[in-house]
Amino acid sequence: DTEVTQTPKHLVMGMTNKKSLKCEQHMGHRAMYWYKQKAKKPPELMFVYSYEKLSINESVPSRFSPECPNSSLLNLHLHALQPEDSALYLCASSLLAGGRYQDTQYFGPGTRLTVL
Amino acid sequence: DAKTTQPPSMDCAEGRAANLPCNHSTISGNEYVYWYRQIHSQGPQYIIHGLKNNETNEMASLIITEDRKSSTLILPHATLRDTAVYYCIVRVTDSWGKLQFGAGTQVVVTP
Repeated sequence: DTEVTQTPKHLVMGMTNKKSLKCEQHMGHRAMYWYKQKAKKPPELMFVYSYEKLSINESVPSRFSPECPNSSLLNLHLHALQPEDSALYLCASSLLAGGRYQDTQYFGPGTRLTVL
Repeated sequence: DAKTTQPPSMDCAEGRAANLPCNHSTISGNEYVYWYRQIHSQGPQYIIHGLKNNETNEMASLIITEDRKSSTLILPHATLRDTAVYYCIVRVTDSWGKLQFGAGTQVVVTP
């Protein structure tokens, strides 16, 4: 089983709203990732968590706040977003991350976010 | 970072083999080649990866040239469901798992 689930599937929010995206995996993976994909563009890495600790932040604005409460769950808290933040947000997980490890990343279906 | 070059688009007839090329001339000796695909509006799907030997799994085959400067993904019998954007990615060394996606190849399988 290589399933990563994401909720909600679609989200529409105003610029003053606070919302959260959720990602879950039960494969025993210890690395989890958030990617952002704008229309007709490839995915771009936002954050990497390894053993529930933030390892990489790709200079993402503070209006995006990740959280990894346990090894199976990854959240992305959204606050005061802009219309240009509208995108497909993808979660991925892998067994491990860091250094020489080449563990395969498995992606969830994504959350389609629209900011009005 | 090793960059990849792929053709922007390819057409393939259903039932025929699809050969997708990728150039990665600056690849380092310990960097792997990964292939993912993304069907419209879905999450990327892992296909296969390799270091220097050819690899095969239930989805595809990966042929890497001896100098490792290029590779070819082979879908042996393309179906309509294989229509997708295919990404060839060189895994960045010491990258904390970072996958650097390029523009990919839009493959359209036609009946």
